[in-house]
Amino acid sequence: DAGVIQSPRHEVTEMGQEVTLRCKPISGHDYLFWYRQTMMRGLELLIYFNNNVPIDDSGMPEDRFSAKMPNASFSTLKIQPSEPRDSAVYFCASSPFQGAGVNTEAFFGQGTRLTVV
Amino acid sequence: KNQVEQSPQSLIILEGKNCTLQCNYTVSPFSNLRWYKQDTGRGPVSLTIMTFSENTKSNGRYTATLDADTKQSSLHITASQLSDSASYICVVSPMDSNYQLIWGAGTKLIIKP
Repeated sequence: DAGVIQSPRHEVTEMGQEVTLRCKPISGHDYLFWYRQTMMRGLELLIYFNNNVPIDDSGMPEDRFSAKMPNASFSTLKIQPSEPRDSAVYFCASSPFQGAGVNTEAFFGQGTRLTVV
Repeated sequence: KNQVEQSPQSLIILEGKNCTLQCNYTVSPFSNLRWYKQDTGRGPVSLTIMTFSENTKSNGRYTATLDADTKQSSLHITASQLSDSASYICVVSPMDSNYQLIWGAGTKLIIKP
């Protein structure tokens, strides 16, 4: 398996534009997570899905952010309209099992570096 | 408040030397503690996962220890290599929240030849 695949790797956009980040999880994984990483705040969980259903989106910063998972092999994170403070690296991760046990390893994609100017 | 604090923030050592990174946490109770390695420009990769009942776990030259009484963990790297240059992040999973991992800020390790 190629691992978690994210696209694009880099995105530069102007303030006010819509941005869509894409993720293909590892086949067979039931859980998908979207994270944001900045120097100031480190890694923050934005939202996670179980079997394509959003379970908790309390980490989504505001209504400008939305995430969908139309099927088991694809998810998107959309920002509309984008703002300079959204500049960060956005990671998608998937996991075969969610729980408190040792099998809950999350596999991360390489991330999308978003710059909003 | 659940927190994970790591020290030092950054560390520079010579290739071949050993080093130890520290992690203190206030998450209680917790189900497991993980160490991740994050290379520049890449996503984090899991190194070790320990449950609250374990006190050591090894992965090659990486050895993690856990003291649940003092709420401390350490990651020891033996015979460092240039490829060990990365950020190392300590992550704790609270017992009452299966998905909400508490991430430390990481230690940036630089290995010099």
